[in-house]
Amino acid sequence: EAGVAQSPRYKIIEKRQSVAFWCNPISGHATLYWYQQILGQGPKLLIQFQNNGVVDDSQLPKDRFSAERLKGVDSTLKIQPAKLEDSAVYLCASSLGALGTDTQYFGPGTRLTVL
Amino acid sequence: AQKITQTQPGMFVQEKEAVTLDCTYDTSDQSYGLFWYKQPSSGEMIFLIYQGSYDEQNATEGRYSLNFQKARKSANLVISASQLGDSAMYFCAMREGYSGGGADGLTFGKGTHLIIQP
Repeated sequence: EAGVAQSPRYKIIEKRQSVAFWCNPISGHATLYWYQQILGQGPKLLIQFQNNGVVDDSQLPKDRFSAERLKGVDSTLKIQPAKLEDSAVYLCASSLGALGTDTQYFGPGTRLTVL
Repeated sequence: AQKITQTQPGMFVQEKEAVTLDCTYDTSDQSYGLFWYKQPSSGEMIFLIYQGSYDEQNATEGRYSLNFQKARKSANLVISASQLGDSAMYFCAMREGYSGGGADGLTFGKGTHLIIQP
């Protein structure tokens, strides 16, 4: 079974530029999450989708971050404009979404450097 | 207040020894889940073990076991017979509630950097 796929793996941009990350969850997983992991910290949830609807985006900085999940499968996370403090690894995870005990499986992440 | 506290920023352990990684949590929910993930230098988060708040037995998965003490709100990870490949960051995480389709994002601790020495 293929795992969670993410691209690109690395991205370097100048501040005030825009950037987009892509995630393809495990086949059949209804729930998709985006996390931000700043160096030296644990991941922090940005947004959760159930199929193509947003369940939780309370920690998403909506003035510059946006996310969508097309047709309940792939998802993109966009930052526009980027700030220096957005330098982090962006992790995508997915789960079956059927039970509260579901395990979240993570992708390899996208490492963003904002100069 | 921190929801997940991992008090050991780093640990050095001799190969083949057992190691315990500490995790305490804070929640007012009756139903919650506790997870441990391993993050090698490659960056991917690898699921290790899960413990539900209503589970009466401590969870075990191969060389990993979770020492769950509900009254003390602790969920320590025990790795038996450590191997060089166990060197990585280890994160404790909590899901509050029993949503089954609702908001169930994980709250992570800051992690413990475990180094296994030959």
